[in-house]
Parts: sequence; structure tokens; C-alpha cells
Amino acid sequence: NAGVMQNPRHLVRRRGQEARLRCSPMKGHSHVYWYRQLPEEGLKFMVYLQKENIIDESGMPKERFSAEFPKEGPSILRIQQVVRGDSAAYFCASSPDLAGVGEQYFGPGTRLTVT
Amino acid sequence: SQQGEEDPQALSIQEGENATMNCSYKTSINNLQWYRQNSGRGLVHLILIRSNEREKHSGRLRVTLDTSKKSSSLLITASRAADTASYFCATESGNTPLVFGKGTRLSVIA
Repeated sequence: NAGVMQNPRHLVRRRGQEARLRCSPMKGHSHVYWYRQLPEEGLKFMVYLQKENIIDESGMPKERFSAEFPKEGPSILRIQQVVRGDSAAYFCASSPDLAGVGEQYFGPGTRLTVT
Repeated sequence: SQQGEEDPQALSIQEGENATMNCSYKTSINNLQWYRQNSGRGLVHLILIRSNEREKHSGRLRVTLDTSKKSSSLLITASRAADTASYFCATESGNTPLVFGKGTRLSVIA
């Protein structure tokens, strides 16, 4: 059973470009969470999704950021018109249960660098 | 704002010694979880302790929870160089997402 998969592992974008980060949850998991981690910081919650639904996006910046988890395929975190401050590691996690019940399984992360 | 705050921020010990990390939080919780993150990697779940539990063990790990003080501790006994990593506590309250602290960076010197 493969773990949570994220790609790409490293992504370099120039200011103003779009960044697309992908996350495939563990088999059988229908809940996906996205987190952002700045250097020397803990993880900050961004968004929680189930298939085709956004459940909680209280941690998402209001502009330029969006997330989806379609019926088929991976979850996508999209950042439009990236700025230097978007440089960070973005982690995806999945769980088979409701949010907060039990552990979450994390992917290896995507390290975004905006030049 | 951060819910969990780990203490100390960094800890350096010799192999074989015990390592203790603390976590304080602010609001009532359903459970508290500890995760480990090796440099450049994702987080690995270590242990979950529910609000009605006081102590839990898993191998060389021992976690305590004091809800009256809103604090938890993670003890790693007989540390190994491979335990070198950052350790994060995360709290779950109601239906809110997990809230992580800034972590403790543990270095175990062989």
C-alpha cells in the first residue's frame, strides 16, 4: 500500500507564474489536508477536502490560492501569480476518518522556490 | 496563532541519554499527537493520546498529558543517532484542523 504521494518534490517558479502541486492520498483515504511549512516553523493548516468538496479552507489565503480534490485523480493545490513569500514546503496528508479523529499520514512534501 | 508550543526549541544530547520535550497548548482538546520530521522529509506520526488518557507508551516513547496544566511531554529513552529529527506536537479540538507547534529540534550525538 503506497503512502501519500506528492509531486513534484521540488518546484521552481518565477514571480508571477502559476504553481500546481499534486497529492495522491493513501489508498482508501478520502480526506486530504494541505499544510504549509516555512523554514524553522511548524506546519500551518491551509485546507481540508473530501472528494469533490472543500470542508474547511480557513487557512487558505483569500487570493491566488485554490484547492480541489476531484472525483478522479489527485488533489491539486494551485497558487496563481506566485510571489517570493510563497516559497515554502507544502505538505499533504490524508486520513480515512473524519478530521481530527486519529492520525494523519503525510506525504514527502513539495518544496516551492519562487525566484 | 499556534496552539501547541514546544519546549525547548532545540536539544542536543549524547547517544544513550533520555530526551524530554514538552508541549503546552491553550484550549481544550480532544487529543494530542506527536510527530517526527527528519530533515527534508514529511511528518511521521508517533503517538496519539486522548484527553481522557494520562500516559501512553510506544517502544522507547513515553507520552504524558496533563489537561489541568494544558501540557504534554514526550520522552525518548536510550536515544540513538537515528532519533535526530524535529519533533512536533499537534492538538485536535472539536472539528477544527490539527494545530501544530513550531517543534523541538533534537540532535543525538554518537
